[in-house]
Amino acid sequence: GNSVTQMEGPVTLSEEAFLTINCTYTATGYPSLFWYVQYPGEGLQLLLKATKADDKGSNKGFEATYRKETTSFHLEKGSVQVSDSAVYFCAFHRNKLTFGTGTQLKVEL
Amino acid sequence: DAMVIQNPRYQVTQFGKPVTLSCSQTLNHNVMYWYQQKSSQAPKLLFHYYDKDFNNEADTPDNFQSRRPNTSFCFLDIRSPGLGDAAMYLCATSRGAGEVSNEQFFGPGTRLTVL
Repeated sequence: GNSVTQMEGPVTLSEEAFLTINCTYTATGYPSLFWYVQYPGEGLQLLLKATKADDKGSNKGFEATYRKETTSFHLEKGSVQVSDSAVYFCAFHRNKLTFGTGTQLKVEL
Repeated sequence: DAMVIQNPRYQVTQFGKPVTLSCSQTLNHNVMYWYQQKSSQAPKLLFHYYDKDFNNEADTPDNFQSRRPNTSFCFLDIRSPGLGDAAMYLCATSRGAGEVSNEQFFGPGTRLTVL
C-alpha cells in the first residue's frame, strides 16, 4: 500500500552543520511530494513541495528534489540553526495526504 | 492574519464521557480535515468535508463523528472516548482537494487526555 518511510530521529546536530533527512515513498504514479515542519507546541506548516519528477522545492534554506528513479525526496540544508529544531514530516498526496512518522531535529550551539 | 484556530488547545475528559473539539478558519477554504496524531506517529486522516459533503476514511471508528455547520466551523465529536483515543487532534483546511489546490493549512492542534 501507499506509505512514506523517513529516517528515525532524533537527529542531533551542531549549529551550522549540514542536514539530510531521508525520505522514500511507495505510491502509484507520481504524486506531489511535501515536507511539513512542526515546531514545538504548534501545528504543521508546509515547508516545501514538488509536484513533478526532477522538481526541486526550496524554502528557508531547505531543499528537496523529487527523484522518481529512487522514489525519494530527501530534505537538505547546508547550515542549520538552533531555530530549525522541530519535527519534520515527509508526505505525498495521492487522493489524500500520507505522512511519514516524522524526524525530530535538535540543533545545539 | 488568516488562519486555522482550534479550541481548546488542551482538553481533558473522562473515559466514556462525550467530548467535542472545535476548529474554525478564516481562509474561506472549501475543504476541512481532521487528523489524529498519536505520540511519535504520523498524522492519520479521520475524515474531511468538501463544502457540506462528508468523506469518512474507511478505518475511522464509528466513535468519531464530525459536523460542519458552515464554511468556517468544523467539529469533531468523540461519543465515548477510550484510553486509546488520547492523542493530538489536528484540523486542517485547503482550498480544494485536488493535487494542485490541496496545500493544507494546519491549526495548532488540541491535545486530548482521557482519564
